[in-house]
Amino acid sequence: GESVGLHLPTLSVQEGDNSIINCAYSNSASDYFIWYKQESGKGPQFIIDIRSNMDKRQGQRVTVLLNKTVKHLSLQIAATQPGDSAVYFCAETFGSNDYKLSFGAGTTVTVRA
Amino acid sequence: GAVVSQHPSWVICKSGTSVKIECRSLDFQATTMFWYRQFPKQSLMLMATSNEGSKATYEQGVEKDKFLINHASLTLSTLTVTSAHPEDSSFYICSAPSTSGRNEQYFGPGTRLTVT
Repeated sequence: GESVGLHLPTLSVQEGDNSIINCAYSNSASDYFIWYKQESGKGPQFIIDIRSNMDKRQGQRVTVLLNKTVKHLSLQIAATQPGDSAVYFCAETFGSNDYKLSFGAGTTVTVRA
Repeated sequence: GAVVSQHPSWVICKSGTSVKIECRSLDFQATTMFWYRQFPKQSLMLMATSNEGSKATYEQGVEKDKFLINHASLTLSTLTVTSAHPEDSSFYICSAPSTSGRNEQYFGPGTRLTVT
């Protein structure tokens, strides 16, 4: 079936550099997207979200970009810090239920000191 | 912010036994909660939607008789893995939607189940 997926499973980034994590989705009906951060042995933590009527949203040190034409989502982390090391998941929902999430495969981000 | 807790954080049980995992919303009420399963180095897979006062809704391929869900109060949902087998060993995570009007879910810290 249709699902959210990730382009790259791992990302190694130098501390202080910017990180870009990509996500491809296949369900053109998806209208709400969320990025989560999951540290080892813990539950997912909300980072930022975006609705399909937007193409960019910024938070603190993070920016989410949405390209509906190619069904692509990205998370940019500015000035990556050691505490950013984690697995990052994109998730999508569609229809009236914003809470029934479909998660992508995840990208493991490792920050080098 | 809102907090969701899970108990236990980890459990080891013998094959054939049953184990119950609790999910609690600590400072808000949750008429709906979700249960996910996550195998090592894999993504979260939604297992079922827990509905307070009514039957849970299971995702395709999830055995409802094996994964019993009870949502008896507005702050507690339980997942019981019956007749557990080693292949049921996984990280089980629950979540509850925000009641603040924001489209967020609050996730529990997860429960690591190991079946020997």
